[in-house]
Amino acid sequence: EPEVTQTPSHQVTQMGQEVILRCVPISNHLYFYWYRQILGQKVEFLVSFYNNEISEKSEIFDDQFSVERPDGSNFTLKIRSTKLEDSAMYFCASSGMDRSYYEQYFGPGTRLTVT
Amino acid sequence: GQQLNQSPQSMFIQEGEDVSMNCTSSSIFNTWLWYKQDPGEGPVLLIALYKAGELTSNGRLTAQFGITRKDSFLNISASIPSDVGIYFCAGQGSGGGADGLTFGKGTHLIIQP
Repeated sequence: EPEVTQTPSHQVTQMGQEVILRCVPISNHLYFYWYRQILGQKVEFLVSFYNNEISEKSEIFDDQFSVERPDGSNFTLKIRSTKLEDSAMYFCASSGMDRSYYEQYFGPGTRLTVT
Repeated sequence: GQQLNQSPQSMFIQEGEDVSMNCTSSSIFNTWLWYKQDPGEGPVLLIALYKAGELTSNGRLTAQFGITRKDSFLNISASIPSDVGIYFCAGQGSGGGADGLTFGKGTHLIIQP
């Protein structure tokens, strides 16, 4: 069963540092997403990406965030200057074509801790 | 932004009981999805609903997309210990694959032996 993978599983960083979270979406999928989940809260949408550009972004996704698909398999989320409130689980998701276009499959997440 | 109201917030049931949870929204969604999340893991897709009134099953799980497109419910029959977890509903708007999902706050299912 194909699955979304994410690395690292846990990232600890100091406030003000840059972090890059990595994802490998399911191989034949075309839509890619990042979400975050603050501990004990609901999952929140950050950004969607299609055809090498951002399709939609939420209010959370400000200038400190950027996404990139540097090659044919990886999809990254960069936070330029981390803040304490960026501490959360970050999930990558992907979806495919036809009916599965609507079905977003999530990775296991990266737990980001900003100290 | 769009908000989903998911209830109940938590459920304490006995093994073997049936479970029902639901989501409502003030906005219309074109797609409803139900996910399960175990501690420390990512949400796992359980059921996707595409048409108003649609009733879909996946094993012991049954979900329906409300006629008004503003609500959905998920039923679990004959619960077993591995059903423990947090269940989230999620709605997607008219943009299809490009749209982010709006999630509910989750229903925490706890099964008492």
